[in-house]
Amino acid sequence: AQRVTQPEKLLSVFKGAPVELKCNYSYSGSPELFWYVQYSRQRLQLLLRHISRESIKGFTADLNKGETSFHLKKPFAQEEDSAMYYCALNSGYSTLTFGKGTMLLVSP
Amino acid sequence: DVKVTQSSRYLVKRTGEKVFLECVQDMDHENMFWYRQDPGLGLRLIYFSYDVKMKEKGDIPEGYSVSREKKERFSLILESASTNQTSMYLCASSPGDRELQPQHFGDGTRLSIL
Repeated sequence: AQRVTQPEKLLSVFKGAPVELKCNYSYSGSPELFWYVQYSRQRLQLLLRHISRESIKGFTADLNKGETSFHLKKPFAQEEDSAMYYCALNSGYSTLTFGKGTMLLVSP
Repeated sequence: DVKVTQSSRYLVKRTGEKVFLECVQDMDHENMFWYRQDPGLGLRLIYFSYDVKMKEKGDIPEGYSVSREKKERFSLILESASTNQTSMYLCASSPGDRELQPQHFGDGTRLSIL
């Protein structure tokens, strides 16, 4: 069965520090992975998807099939990056399986 | 820009009541979804729909039902509300393309069952 694991409930860093939000998945087929973000009092929105291979707001994520990981990285965190981040995996029929989320807190 | 609108931001109901949560999208999307979002549990899929009058169970359908009579509207129904259904409910939609497309979310309905 498909599964998404985000091991950290909370990640606290200082402004300017590098950030890595971990995501591991379990899926028997060819995975399609997404990162969604929810800023305070805003709706959940797509941050990036692995097939786009693009950088959004300075964030990147590389799919590592060998390690079954899709970690989200940013070299220099900003206070406005503070939010809840969810990793999601396609689970067939256009549905997604979400991880439990990681709250990123960037302090000045 | 895709707009997914949920009828209520906050809702308070009593145990045993029948509760309707409404969701409307304006982009002619085929797929619509209902999730509940709980701290420490992330998003869990309750029901989804590919098309009008079609519905499929998600991971936690017990105690819920859905209705999709029109393409743009997807309703979540709590048949007899219970306190353990107090949660944030999120509606989402996506196009029905062969390639998996991102889901677009509404603002959510925070439901309290007393």
